[in-house]
This record gives sequence, structure tokens and C-alpha cells, in this order.
Amino acid sequence: NAGVTQTPKFRVLKTGQSMTLLCAQDMNHEYMYWYRQDPGMGLRLIHYSVGEGTTAKGEVPDGYNVSRLKKQNFLLGLESAAPSQTSVYFCASRTGTVNSPLHFGNGTRLTVT
Amino acid sequence: GQQVMQIPQYQHVQEGEDFTTYCNSSTTLSNIQWYKQRPGGHPVFLIQLVKSGEVKKQKRLTFQFGEAKKNSSLHITATQTTDVGTYFCAGLGTSYGKLTFGQGTILTVHP
Repeated sequence: NAGVTQTPKFRVLKTGQSMTLLCAQDMNHEYMYWYRQDPGMGLRLIHYSVGEGTTAKGEVPDGYNVSRLKKQNFLLGLESAAPSQTSVYFCASRTGTVNSPLHFGNGTRLTVT
Repeated sequence: GQQVMQIPQYQHVQEGEDFTTYCNSSTTLSNIQWYKQRPGGHPVFLIQLVKSGEVKKQKRLTFQFGEAKKNSSLHITATQTTDVGTYFCAGLGTSYGKLTFGQGTILTVHP
């Protein structure tokens, strides 16, 4: 099992460019999450999904969109990248059981110039 | 909305000293989870606490959940260089499925 796989690992964008981050999990998990990690800010929730076809906003959703068309995939889109979106992005998934832990991917380091 | 505060932000210790990080939520939590992130890595699940007043131990690590289910702590006895990393708490609130992380405590251990 690969667990949670994020692509790409690194990316540099110019302001105004768009991109999609892909998260794939092979554990048949119901819930999937996108977090961003910035120094001193911890992990902040961008968007999450409690099942295929459903998404919800987290703490910092502005400037991002998501889609969960298939259960195993959760896509994070940046329509018009801004320097403030320079960060490390982590995807995570877990089962639908209320006390289940998060399984994280290895992260995507995004720099917007 | 739900907020989870974690202190301290940084902790530098000599190897062999103890370490504690504290987590406080603005709302009552269903459970609290603790994660460790090694430098350059991703967060890895350590443990979760569910019951009011619960205490759990993992070797040199002791985790506590407050009676009101609004605070928690992680204590490491006799730190080792392998304990280096960032420790996060994450609280599950009333919004089912939504885990909110604290800011994390970065632990440095000097040999």
C-alpha cells in the first residue's frame, strides 16, 4: 500500500498562474483533508471532504477550490496563485470512524514568485 | 469557530531533561489527537484521547486529557535526541470530521 500520495513534490509558480495539486489514497478512506503549513502557524485546514462528491470549507479556504469526484482522489486547485500561497501543502485522509487518526502524504512545497 | 492554542511555540532542552507541551481549545472536544513531525517530514499520529481525565503512556511519553475535555498535555520524560521535531495536538469538535490543529511546539534537544 502506498498510503497517501501527493503530486507534485515541489512547484514554483509565477503570480497569477494556476495549478492543481493531486492527492490520492489507496486505503478506501472516507474523509480527506487539505492543510497548509507555514512557520509559526501550525497546520491550517483549507478544505475537507467527508465523502465522494462532497466538500466543505476549512479555516483558510479563500483562493482555493477542491473537488472529490472519486473517493480515492482529492484535488486542490489554485486559480490565480499569489505569493501569500507560498507554503507546504499536506493532504491527509482517515476512515469515517469518529476516532480514526489522520494519515498524511509527504507534502508539496509550493513557491509563488 | 473552534480554536486550538498550543504552547510553548519553541522549547530547547538538554538531553535528559523533561519536556511538556500544552494544548487548549476554545470549545469542548470530542477527542484530541497528538502528532509528531520530524524535520522535513510529515505529521505522524502518536495517540488519541477520548475520555474526560484520560491519561495514556507510551514509554517516556505521557498524554493527558482534561476533565472538561478542553485541554490536553504531552509530557516527555528524559528527552533523547530522537525526540526532536514538532509536536501537534489536534482537536475534533462538534463539526463532525473537522480536526483543528494547534500551532505546534518545536522541540530541540541538545546532546
